[in-house]
Parts: sequence; structure tokens; C-alpha cells
Amino acid sequence: AQRVTQPEKLLSVFKGAPVELKCNYSYSGSPELFWYVQYSRQRLQLLLRHISRESIKGFTADLNKGETSFHLKKPFAQEEDSAMYYCALSVIQGAQKLVFGQGTRLTINP
Amino acid sequence: KAGVTQTPRYLIKTRGQQVTLSCSPISGHRSVSWYQQTPGQGLQFLFEYFSETQRNKGNFPGRFSGRQFSNSRSEMNVSTLELGDSALYLCASSGPVTNTGELFFGEGSRLTVL
Repeated sequence: AQRVTQPEKLLSVFKGAPVELKCNYSYSGSPELFWYVQYSRQRLQLLLRHISRESIKGFTADLNKGETSFHLKKPFAQEEDSAMYYCALSVIQGAQKLVFGQGTRLTINP
Repeated sequence: KAGVTQTPRYLIKTRGQQVTLSCSPISGHRSVSWYQQTPGQGLQFLFEYFSETQRNKGNFPGRFSGRQFSNSRSEMNVSTLELGDSALYLCASSGPVTNTGELFFGEGSRLTVL
């Protein structure tokens, strides 16, 4: 079965500190992983996808197949990073279907 | 370009009733998927439609159904409502390139069942 686990429901760090949001997945196939973010009063939106290997708003995420992880990292947190973050696994069964983790609420303290 | 639009935004129903939610995808998007979001279960996949055909379905009872029209607009229906159906129902569209995993979400329809 496909599963995405985000072990931290809440994460609080100070501005300027590094931040890491953890994500582990369980999937027998070749995974495609994403991070979605929801800022206050905004829609859920894509932050980044592992296949693009890009840095968005200073965030990066590396897929580690050995550890089945896709942790989201940023070296210096900013207050505007406060949001709900969801890790998602794309299950390509001829359709668009994402399996989401439970989400981590990140709070950046000034 | 207008985003994904969901109506109604809020609704209150009583147990046993049925409800229909509507979703208008981004122009040009042919795939529409639905998710249920609750505090306990998080975001759970309901189903996905592409070109008026249901391509995939999540693990929800048959009371949950949907359809897609030729203009890609989609509706989902929940019959015989139960208290546990109270949730935020999110619609997402994607395309025109399929299977990219990037979904564009609406603001959701918040259903309260009393």
C-alpha cells in the first residue's frame, strides 16, 4: 500500500534558523514526490517536485530511495515560510492520484 | 487565467440528506480530482475524472459519486449523509499535460452534517 508519513504535526523554529520537514514514504513502484504548501487563507499549491530538482523560495528536497525519504529543507527560515506543508506521493495508475501525508504546520518565530 | 472554482463554499445538511458539489477547472484542464480533507484523516483521494470518464477511485463507499461534463466541469454527490461526512471537499484540476502530479486546487466546499 502507498503511504506518506510526516512525523511532525507541528514544527516551530526561529527566523534565520535552518528548517527541515520530514517526509517518509512507502511505495513499491518508482516514486514521484511533491511538496505542497498552504499559506494562511490561500489555496493548497505546489511548492516543488523531486523530478525538477529545483529550489523554490529557498527550499530544496532530495529524494533518498534508500531511506524512502523526501525531506524538505531550507537553510535560513523566514517568517513568510509559516504555513502548512504536505508531502505527497504520485501514484500513477493511468490517472492523477496523490497520496498526501498528514501535514506539518511550520511556524517561524521572529 | 481564473483558478479552480468550487461552489457552494459552505453548506449545512442534516443526516440522511444528499448534497451536490460543483467544480469548474482551470480553462484547458481536462483532469479533475476530488479530495476530502478532515482533521483526523487529512487529505484523502476520492476520485478523478478525465474526459468525462472516471479514471480512478479512492476507498470511499458508494454513497460518494461524481461525474464530469463535456466542458470538464465536475460534480460530486454524497447521498445519505452521515455525521462523518463533515469535511472540506477540495477539487483540483490538472493539465493539459497529464500525469505531472501538479494539481491546482480550489478553495473547497465546507460541508457540515448535523
